[in-house]
Amino acid sequence: GQQVMQIPQYQHVQEGEDFTTYCNSSTTLSNIQWYKQRPGGHPVFLIQLVKSGEVKKQKRLTFQFGEAKKNSSLHITATQTTDVGTYFCAVTSYNFNKFYFGSGTKLNVKP
Amino acid sequence: EAQVTQNPRYLITVTGKKLTVTCSQNMNHEYMSWYRQDPGLGLRQIYYSMNVEVTDKGDVPEGYKVSRKEKRNFPLILESPSPNQTSLYFCASSSTGSGNSPLHFGNGTRLTVT
Repeated sequence: GQQVMQIPQYQHVQEGEDFTTYCNSSTTLSNIQWYKQRPGGHPVFLIQLVKSGEVKKQKRLTFQFGEAKKNSSLHITATQTTDVGTYFCAVTSYNFNKFYFGSGTKLNVKP
Repeated sequence: EAQVTQNPRYLITVTGKKLTVTCSQNMNHEYMSWYRQDPGLGLRQIYYSMNVEVTDKGDVPEGYKVSRKEKRNFPLILESPSPNQTSLYFCASSSTGSGNSPLHFGNGTRLTVT
């Protein structure tokens, strides 16, 4: 099945520091979605990227889709304690309606 | 309120005792799917459904069954649960499949099989 590798697995930052998580695929992706899961909660959709080289911003969050559509990143500027949670990327294969999630990056922010 | 409702939230059972986890959505979504979440493995898709009476296997379907008799409901059935099915389960729906629209997740069901 579709493989998407996500790194790092964990990230501990001091409040105010930046954070980045990366997703990489060996094949070209049709699109990529990002989700956030708060501790004890369920995944919540953040954004979808479709176009090669696309960059989207949501306040302190910046999402990028690589030029070759094989990688993506989520960058948080000046983290806050409200950013704590696990961030997942999700992709689908071209021919099937299957979703494949990265293993997630768990972000801990120390106040 | 638009939502995906899963029940129960917590379930402890014994090996071999059939169980059903219910999932219902009130958004008239075509696509519904089930996932299991295990530490370090992210979410893995178990089954999905493109529409009523249309279901197909995800990445880890072994030991699970589903049905889609009505658009709003998509129950997950474990005919003979085993301890390796102890996990956190999520149901999700979206207006279309193929990753073109967001997945809306239920609150999850934590299943323990002893």
